[in-house]
Amino acid sequence: GAGVSQSPSNKVTEKGKDVELRCDPISGHTALYWYRQSLGQGLEFLIYFQGNSAPDKSGLPSDRFSAERTGGSVSTLTIQRTQQEDSAVYLCASSLAGQVSGNTIYFGEGSWLTVV
Amino acid sequence: GNSVTQMEGPVTLSEEAFLTINCTYTATGYPSLFWYVQYPGEGLQLLLKATKADDKGSNKGFEATYRKETTSFHLEKGSVQVSDSAVYFCALVPDTGRRALTFGSGTRLQVQP
Repeated sequence: GAGVSQSPSNKVTEKGKDVELRCDPISGHTALYWYRQSLGQGLEFLIYFQGNSAPDKSGLPSDRFSAERTGGSVSTLTIQRTQQEDSAVYLCASSLAGQVSGNTIYFGEGSWLTVV
Repeated sequence: GNSVTQMEGPVTLSEEAFLTINCTYTATGYPSLFWYVQYPGEGLQLLLKATKADDKGSNKGFEATYRKETTSFHLEKGSVQVSDSAVYFCALVPDTGRRALTFGSGTRLQVQP
């Protein structure tokens, strides 16, 4: 499809396990973002990739969280040793060029993570 | 730092009523301003945007005007429908530094027939 694609759409994992969430941005978009949406916490910025620049990781909540973006396209968000407080919807988004503040940022449907 | 403040919900209206959802922001320079909408069970969608002062964004009968002097971007619709029931998020992207969205907390709108 033409939109931002995320997988899995739903993931239930046991506390302490590692999880990987995948994002396929819109073709040609150089900027990619990860956000987290928790009940009662709103939308929280996690990490931002822009082209070949070093990613802005300032929103990652702990060192258990990491993300990479291969070949300037697909991105994977990894959460190690998951905790119950990691349960949330993880949203990926992309835009044409992150340097232009007016560019529209398009969101995927999200990956709903439940840690039990 | 940058921040967005929205009126708390839920906002409950009857069909055909006038809607206003207030949004104010704090940011240096000239950020771009956005309204996103999240319908039940769906992802975030861009509703409208404005990229400079006095611009008016509009879509699906919704409007918002970028007011630099009051640092506001209030969302309005003249006549709401049941299908407008959703959560509405005001957001900004700064014109310097990290070009990522900073969101308000969201306002839930419930429209009753």
